[in-house]
Amino acid sequence: EIVLTQSPDTLSLSPGERATLSCRASQRISSSYLAWYQQKPGQAPRLLIYGPSSRATGIPDRFSGSGSGTDFTLTITRLETEDFAVYYCQQYDSPPFTFGPGTKVDIK
Amino acid sequence: EVQLVESGGGLVQPGGSLKLSCAASGFTFSGSAIHWVRQASGKGLEWVGRIKSKGDNYATAYAASVKGRFTISRADSNNTAYLQMNSLKTEDTAMYYCSRSTMATNWAYGSWGQGTLVTVSS
Repeated sequence: EIVLTQSPDTLSLSPGERATLSCRASQRISSSYLAWYQQKPGQAPRLLIYGPSSRATGIPDRFSGSGSGTDFTLTITRLETEDFAVYYCQQYDSPPFTFGPGTKVDIK
Repeated sequence: EVQLVESGGGLVQPGGSLKLSCAASGFTFSGSAIHWVRQASGKGLEWVGRIKSKGDNYATAYAASVKGRFTISRADSNNTAYLQMNSLKTEDTAMYYCSRSTMATNWAYGSWGQGTLVTVSS
C-alpha cells in the first residue's frame, strides 16, 4: 500500500498570503494519478487538481499543482477567505487508493 | 447537473449488515467508475473501494480494512451503485460518500455525493 504523508499538519496564514502544501508518497507513483481535494466543514470533498497539475472545472487559477515521483505540491498563490479548509492529496495509481492525512489551512 | 445521492445509512449493531445506495443523475452513469470513501467524525478521508464500468468488466477493488466484508455492485439500468456492508464493526462508523471518476478528470473523483451516516453501536 502506498502511504501518503502531508506537511505541515496545519498552516496558519492570512488572506492574501501564499500557501504551499506538500504531499510525499512512500513509493514512486505516476504523476498522472495524483489529485488534490478541498474539504470544508460539513461538506463533501471537492476536486481541485488532478494529473498532478490540471485544475478541475471551475477551480480558480490561484490553485496550482506540481511534482513527480514521490513529491508533490499544491500552491495557493493568494489566499482568499473561502480557501481556509482542509486539503487532501490522493494517489489512484494502484489500489488500494490512498489519501494523505490532510493539511488544515486556517486563518492566522 | 451531475448529482450523486447516497442513502441507506443508519444505526446498526456490531456484526450487523447495511446496504448503502448511490443514485446518480445528470451524466452517463454506465461510463463512470464509482468509488466509496468514508470519513469518521473529525478524521481524514479513507478510500473504501471502487467498481469500474462494464467496459472494464465491473472490476472491483477494496481497502484492506473492509475486504471480505464489504461488496460494491452497480445497476447501470437504474443508475445506481451499492455498498453492501456485512460483519460491521464499531470502527466502520463514518460518513460514507460515493463519488465518480471519468476520463475527463483522468479518473480523479470529480463529483461527490453529500454522504450518508453509518453508526455501528450496541
